[in-house]
Amino acid sequence: AQSVSQHNHHVILSEAASLELGCNYSYGGTVNLFWYVQYPGQHLQLLLKYFSGDPLVKGIKGFEAEFIKSKFSFNLRKPSVQWSDTAEYFCAVNAGQGGKLIFGQGTELSVKP
Amino acid sequence: SQTIHQWPATLVQPVGSPLSLECTVEGTSNPNLYWYRQAAGRGLQLLFYSVGIGQISSEVPQNLSASRPQDRQFILSSKKLLLSDSGFYLCAWTTGTSSYNEQFFGPGTRLTVL
Repeated sequence: AQSVSQHNHHVILSEAASLELGCNYSYGGTVNLFWYVQYPGQHLQLLLKYFSGDPLVKGIKGFEAEFIKSKFSFNLRKPSVQWSDTAEYFCAVNAGQGGKLIFGQGTELSVKP
Repeated sequence: SQTIHQWPATLVQPVGSPLSLECTVEGTSNPNLYWYRQAAGRGLQLLFYSVGIGQISSEVPQNLSASRPQDRQFILSSKKLLLSDSGFYLCAWTTGTSSYNEQFFGPGTRLTVL
């Protein structure tokens, strides 16, 4: 069965620090990968997605993620975080069949001003 | 533009009572619809999905059920709630069954079972 694992449950950073959130998935076939973000009091929304092509994907608000097939990883990065990046971040994989998404446990990011 | 509504926003129910959560989508037709549950520290768990009226697929055996009486309406129900049913329930939609399609999420319902 497909699964997604996020390594960090809670990350605390100061503003301007660099961010990397780990995500590993378990699936042997072709996958499509997503990062979603949930800001406090807001809907879950898409940050970025990978389908094919360039493994380095750029998303909104300066976020990017790199798909490394050999490592089954899709880590999220941002060179310099802001207080407004405080949110919960979810990695997800879509392995077909009804468009279902399998989510990781989520990582709560707290950015101190 | 498309919007997705969920109600109620919060709900406190006693153990053993029934449940009905509703999700409706506007601005699109024949969407795929999904129910997820978000429990603290456990991410989002897919509960049910539907590719059309009356078509429900269950992902996790439990005392919850789902129905889709209309194209853009998705209902999550239970006859008798358990303490373990507490959580944050999210409805989502997408168009088509392609894995390329982004899912759009509703505001969620916070359910507390006492």
